[in-house]
Amino acid sequence: SQKIEQNSEALNIQEGKTATLTCNYTNYSPAYLQWYRQDPGRGPVFLLLIRENEKEKRKERLKVTFDTTLKQSLFHITASQPADSATYLCALVFMEYGNKLVFGAGTILRVKS
Amino acid sequence: DTEVTQTPKHLVMGMTNKKSLKCEQHMGHRAMYWYKQKAKKPPELMFVYSYEKLSINESVPSRFSPECPNSSLLNLHLHALQPEDSALYLCASSRDPQSSGNTIYFGEGSWLTVV
Repeated sequence: SQKIEQNSEALNIQEGKTATLTCNYTNYSPAYLQWYRQDPGRGPVFLLLIRENEKEKRKERLKVTFDTTLKQSLFHITASQPADSATYLCALVFMEYGNKLVFGAGTILRVKS
Repeated sequence: DTEVTQTPKHLVMGMTNKKSLKCEQHMGHRAMYWYKQKAKKPPELMFVYSYEKLSINESVPSRFSPECPNSSLLNLHLHALQPEDSALYLCASSRDPQSSGNTIYFGEGSWLTVV
């Protein structure tokens, strides 16, 4: 069965540093991978999508890489701010099941000032 | 602000009650979803509707009954729920059910407590 793994422990970093979150998957070759942010008690918010033929994608302070050989995506937030504190979820889309989006467990990021 | 609107935001119901959760989007999206999220867990897919037809049911118990009256509305009818069904229920939508690379937009969720 498909498995998506993210850092199980919370990531604590100092303001201004770069946060790097990891998403690993097994038993699947996704066409693309997505990253979402979720704040407590709120729905996930889409951040970035990267396709299998893209190595890297950027949006403002965010960067995502996608290594289909390693079956891994890295999500970077540069110049992190306390407002970046949230849970970050990676998600894979299973097109053979009609656009089914499956989430990893998420990584809690805490940025301290 | 999310463009997927869910009501009610909070619902408390007894195990013998019948209630419904409602979801609405006016983005012209043709795929709509119900997810369930327990505390400190990721959202788990329950149902997918593509062009107003049920395309995925993730083996959800029949006490949860989805309905898609039109392309903008999605309901989740609840009956004879158990306390373990208490969770955040998230509605979502995406533009094209046939396309890979859709962005999925989530609502703020409905907090359900079964007593």
